[in-house]
Amino acid sequence: DTGVSQNPRHKITKRGQNVTFRCDPISEHNRLYWYRQTLGQGPEFLTYFQNEAQLEKSRLLSDRFSAERPKGSFSTLEIQRTEQGDSAMYLCASSSAPSGGPSYEQYFGPGTRLTVT
Amino acid sequence: ILNVEQSPQSLHVQEGDSTNFTCSFPSSNFYALHWYRWETAKSPEALFVMTLNGDEKKKGRISATLNTKEGYSYLYIKGSQPEDSATYLCASSNFGNEKLTFGTGTRLTIIP
Repeated sequence: DTGVSQNPRHKITKRGQNVTFRCDPISEHNRLYWYRQTLGQGPEFLTYFQNEAQLEKSRLLSDRFSAERPKGSFSTLEIQRTEQGDSAMYLCASSSAPSGGPSYEQYFGPGTRLTVT
Repeated sequence: ILNVEQSPQSLHVQEGDSTNFTCSFPSSNFYALHWYRWETAKSPEALFVMTLNGDEKKKGRISATLNTKEGYSYLYIKGSQPEDSATYLCASSNFGNEKLTFGTGTRLTIIP
C-alpha cells in the first residue's frame, strides 16, 4: 500500500444524475476525510470519519451529499441529483490518530474531478 | 485574520534563484500548520507540519518557519529547479477540530 487511492479519477455526468466516488485510505489509518476544491479556491472540508463513525459534517454538505465508511476501511461519497455547481475536485485524505486524540498529518489521494454538464 | 491567506497567488522564478511565499492564519486556538506541494494530476504531497512557535523545518532545498503569535508561516525554496513548479498550499488546524482550513495556494512556475 503506497498511499491513498481514489476512483474514478475523472467523472463527467449530466445534471440530475447521481454519482458515487470511492476512496481507499492508507491501511490501518483510522481517520478519513473528504474535501472539495473548486476553481480558484483551496480545498474545503466536507466531512470526516473515525473508523466507521462520521464525526463531523460541513454545512457545505447538503442533503444531496452522503458519505459512508461502512467497515472503517474504504469510503464512498455519493452526490444525488447533481448540479453544475457540484463540478469540482473531490479529495480524500487519511490519517492515524489515537482514539479520541488529535491527528497530526493528513495524507491525500489524487482526487476525483467531477464535471457536471 | 479570520481565514488562511497565501501570497502571492502566482509566481514566476528563474531557475537557480531562491524564492519564498507567505501563509497567514488565525492564531487563536491554533494547533498545527501544514504545507503541501501539489503537482498537476498528482496527490498533494505533505511537506511540513509545524506546531510550535519558532519552529523551523527543512527538507532538502525547501524550508519553512512558523510564528504562532502573529499567525504567519514562510516557505523558502533555495536554488529553484524546474521540478519545483507546483501549487504550494498551506492549511491550519485548531485544537479539538480535525478539519484543515486551506489557503488558495501559491502557483510557482520555474523558468528554465
